[in-house]
Amino acid sequence: EAQVTQNPRYLITVTGKKLTVTCSQNMNHEYMSWYRQDPGLGLRQIYYSMNVEVTDKGDVPEGYKVSRKEKRNFPLILESPSPNQTSLYFCASSLSDRLIQHFGDGTRLSIL
Amino acid sequence: GEDVEQSLFLSVREGDSSVINCTYTDSSSTYLYWYKQEPGAGLQLLTYIFSNMDMKQDQRLTVLLNKKDKHLSLRIADTQTGDSAIYFCAESTAGGSYIPTFGRGTSLIVHP
Repeated sequence: EAQVTQNPRYLITVTGKKLTVTCSQNMNHEYMSWYRQDPGLGLRQIYYSMNVEVTDKGDVPEGYKVSRKEKRNFPLILESPSPNQTSLYFCASSLSDRLIQHFGDGTRLSIL
Repeated sequence: GEDVEQSLFLSVREGDSSVINCTYTDSSSTYLYWYKQEPGAGLQLLTYIFSNMDMKQDQRLTVLLNKKDKHLSLRIADTQTGDSAIYFCAESTAGGSYIPTFGRGTSLIVHP
């Protein structure tokens, strides 16, 4: 079954404590991306990756890092989380950047 | 920058047709998408249309595109309670990368 798996699904943590949200896909897709969803704002893209070792900024990259060492994994790293990063995060993967097809079920982060 | 606007709520009776509307500002939009988000889940790509098309039909779903007015609509025929969800309109533009711009989502409520 085609899947995009995010972990954890929920996390409550404190300001400044580094955290990583993992994302893994089993479809051999080249394109992966991260979004945050905030009430009244829709989804905004944080970072994307066209392939292994190729990443670039989306619309709201400040405060986030990503890496793409393997095709299947695209972790999102918050080095020093702050309360304004409290949000619902989605990872997505697709064959190309032209049609974003598969989303994970989301990770709800609360930064206190 | 680009903007995508949708109304926030739509309520319909089961069995009626639903029409969800979307307007966008970027006249060079190449791809226009509709996604469905059910509670606690990620986005599911429902359908998409290229900017050189006026209409696309897929079972109960009909997408209409009016490029002159930059207006996109999604019609769901014979709406069922299982169609209750948030529907997101999104667009992306040919260029260096296809970073999609999402609308804020329309909550569709289907009542008996």
